[in-house]
Amino acid sequence: GQQVMQIPQYQHVQEGEDFTTYCNSSTTLSNIQWYKQRPGGHPVFLIQLVKSGEVKKQKRLTFQFGEAKKNSSLHITATQTTDVGTYFCAGAGGYSGAGSYQLTFGKGTKLSVIP
Amino acid sequence: GAGVSQSPRYKVAKRGQDVALRCDPISGHVSLFWYQQALGQGPEFLTYFQNEAQLDKSGLPSDRFFAERPEGSVSTLKIQRTQQEDSAVYLCASSPLGNTIYFGEGSWLTVV
Repeated sequence: GQQVMQIPQYQHVQEGEDFTTYCNSSTTLSNIQWYKQRPGGHPVFLIQLVKSGEVKKQKRLTFQFGEAKKNSSLHITATQTTDVGTYFCAGAGGYSGAGSYQLTFGKGTKLSVIP
Repeated sequence: GAGVSQSPRYKVAKRGQDVALRCDPISGHVSLFWYQQALGQGPEFLTYFQNEAQLDKSGLPSDRFFAERPEGSVSTLKIQRTQQEDSAVYLCASSPLGNTIYFGEGSWLTVV
């Protein structure tokens, strides 16, 4: 079945440093979504990428979807303590046979920001 | 409320006990999902409803797990004869068809 791998598992950065998490799917995806989960909280939708090679920005966050629609990245510029949490990518559908509604989540990257 | 509401928020069950977890989706949302999230892991798909129809239950780990959404709104996830490996957060999410998914705060189940 479809697998989504995410690295690194943990990242500790000094406040103001940049942060990147990478996501790779074993199959081509119809779209990829990114979520943020604060400690003790629930996943909160950040963005959805649909097109091959798509790049989207949200303030200090930059999201990319690979040309083959199998990988993606999230980059945060100049991290702040409010960025603390676990960032998950989730791949949808594609050619794995799973429905386009069915999200396969990576294990997440837990970001710690040292003030 | 404006968001997806789940109850109970926390449940401690003795092994072998049956539990029922409730989800109130955002009003008017056609799609409803259940996910299971173990500690330190990403959410894993359990089942999907479109209105009252359960279109996909491929993620349910065993026949002890059962979900329903009889009137196309509130959904219940039932786990029979709970086992320790069932301990996890059970997340419900809803969505207008094909759009952003909104997660509830989850029901934290601990089986002792």
